[in-house]
Amino acid sequence: DAKTTQPPSMDCAEGRAANLPCNHSTISGNEYVYWYRQIHSQGPQYIIHGLKNNETNEMASLIITEDRKSSTLILPHATLRDTAVYYCIVHTSYGKLTFGQGTILTVHP
Amino acid sequence: DTGVSQDPRHKITKRGQNVTFRCDPISEHNRLYWYRQTLGQGPEFLTYFQNEAQLEKSRLLSDRFSAERPKGSFSTLEIQRTEQGDSAMYLCASSLVPDSSYEQYFGPGTRLTVT
Repeated sequence: DAKTTQPPSMDCAEGRAANLPCNHSTISGNEYVYWYRQIHSQGPQYIIHGLKNNETNEMASLIITEDRKSSTLILPHATLRDTAVYYCIVHTSYGKLTFGQGTILTVHP
Repeated sequence: DTGVSQDPRHKITKRGQNVTFRCDPISEHNRLYWYRQTLGQGPEFLTYFQNEAQLEKSRLLSDRFSAERPKGSFSTLEIQRTEQGDSAMYLCASSLVPDSSYEQYFGPGTRLTVT
């Protein structure tokens, strides 16, 4: 699986959009971009995934650049409960997940 | 609650003792994964099963570690002769393949402290 690069930490004000970037310049054609998050003392939670097109679900939006070398996870209206570690993972859709260090997102009032 | 349960949630043991953890996946899921997470790090893959078959093991899984999924349902992870370096959160996840998302559902983890 390709490696990813994420900023170690980010801050966001409650109610504002949180935009979390991820670089994955060595992604190959059959690899998807997955996002998981981990709230303190809990197991990771799936958020969203995509291959080429932008995706949206009830939790977030995923914007993937045309060359697929980077992506952005968008939480449109961040709440205090969105404070967590966010992991960007490039994955072939089956088998193990390879987690990096992730981005610690802190949402403040 | 994702539907994946792990038992116990916390375990404190003395160095040299054996410990066993249990994971109950979502009932229709055919894949079951074990990960380990140390403080400040992302989870690291240990092993996974498809039904009863153990399909991949990480180099992290030394010969003191063994995992089973005897009937393709629950799984156990045993650590023999525990060492202080085994102190970590042990996470279990399950998934259904093939599936449209291949999402892995994680349990709450078992936190192991070796004293």
